[in-house]
Amino acid sequence: KNQVEQSPQSLIILEGKNCTLQCNYTVSPFSNLRWYKQDTGRGPVSLTIMTFSENTKSNGRYTATLDADTKQSSLHITASQLSDSASYICVVSPGGFKTIFGAGTRLFVKA
Amino acid sequence: DARVTQTPRDKVTEMGQEVTMRCQPILGHNTVFWYRQTMMQGLELLAYFRNRAPLDDSGMPKDRFSAEMPDATLATLKIQPSEPRDSAVYFCASGLAGTGGADYGYTFGSGTRLTVV
Repeated sequence: KNQVEQSPQSLIILEGKNCTLQCNYTVSPFSNLRWYKQDTGRGPVSLTIMTFSENTKSNGRYTATLDADTKQSSLHITASQLSDSASYICVVSPGGFKTIFGAGTRLFVKA
Repeated sequence: DARVTQTPRDKVTEMGQEVTMRCQPILGHNTVFWYRQTMMQGLELLAYFRNRAPLDDSGMPKDRFSAEMPDATLATLKIQPSEPRDSAVYFCASGLAGTGGADYGYTFGSGTRLTVV
């Protein structure tokens, strides 16, 4: 069964600290993996997209990694800011715009 | 910045009423998606269109939901009759698909929050 599991479910960190969010998937075949940021009351916004051949992709303070062999991805946030407080969603596609969403990690950044 | 526009932003309706949600995709995008998000289920794909033709609506309850693209600038999602379990945030997203299924990513709207009482 195609599944995407994210951990932790929620996370609280202090402003300025780094954090890493995890995504494990069992989707097959594999086309691409996306990380989205969703602010409360808004639609998801794409942070990174990686295909099978890519193992790291950065977008400012966000760096995503992909290990296609172990079917794991991580999203690392450097020097967190209050505006990073949001849900982070991992989405895996087996191709053809099919998408399997993870349940998300809720990140709270405290001053 | 180009954006996907969804209306209405919020909708409260009584059980049994018809609900229509509208989406204006980004100009030039050839693929449109409808998603539903609830606390329990997270984000679920309901349907998507390529060049206005429905490609996949297997995620949508067929008996009460219908999705259409009357033209390239408008996508609609209708629920008739609505039920309390339909209460959720409905997102539209649009994207540009290239040849051979190339995927250049897609952009979400801000959603329609539907409450059926």
